[in-house]
Amino acid sequence: DTAVSQTPKYLVTQMGNDKSIKCEQNLGHDTMYWYKQDSKKFLKIMFSYNNKELIINETVPNRFSPKSPDKAHLNLHINSLELGDSAVYFCASSQSPGANVLTFGAGSRLTVL
Amino acid sequence: TQLLEQSPQFLSIQEGENLTVYCNSSSVFSSLQWYRQEPGEGPVLLVTVVTGGEVKKLKRLTFQFGDARKDSSLHITAAQPGDTGLYLCYGIGTSYGKLTFGQGTILTVHP
Repeated sequence: DTAVSQTPKYLVTQMGNDKSIKCEQNLGHDTMYWYKQDSKKFLKIMFSYNNKELIINETVPNRFSPKSPDKAHLNLHINSLELGDSAVYFCASSQSPGANVLTFGAGSRLTVL
Repeated sequence: TQLLEQSPQFLSIQEGENLTVYCNSSSVFSSLQWYRQEPGEGPVLLVTVVTGGEVKKLKRLTFQFGDARKDSSLHITAAQPGDTGLYLCYGIGTSYGKLTFGQGTILTVHP
């Protein structure tokens, strides 16, 4: 069983569309994250939730809206997609916020045309 | 967010050579982690260093945390093609929520 699974792995869409990426972890962790990895491989944190509560919200456009229905799931919805949104989005989880090991999913590559 | 400067950005070497990757910051970190990422996968933790001056070894990999907990290095001895990948340092700040990745080092080891 994959510890952190995210779907879809690849997403190709047109500018202006709305899309969602789903993430689930079966590790029993309290904290989940969304990271964006750009073409230069830089990993930037976007959001973090601890037990369904938003705890980190970096400077991200309002078009990005995370949702955590329970502590095992953290989904990312993106409205009005732009070319600059093209990247690999990684979901991760950790036992608690801060100083714990991050377990990452395999990533979702989003291409906006 | 505390900045982590990682260098070099790219490293292309022959099998058997040694290499060192550096992570530097002007800020103090409570701990620092090193991750390795292979193509098509997410990063995987290699090590966590917590104490200033700490040295940890993982086979041919040696990790060091600076005395002041502002910098770290990863040294690989006798690199193998299997070491090829993206290496990321990750700093956990002293303030809650200050979590930073370095820019990453893409290592290619040629047979």
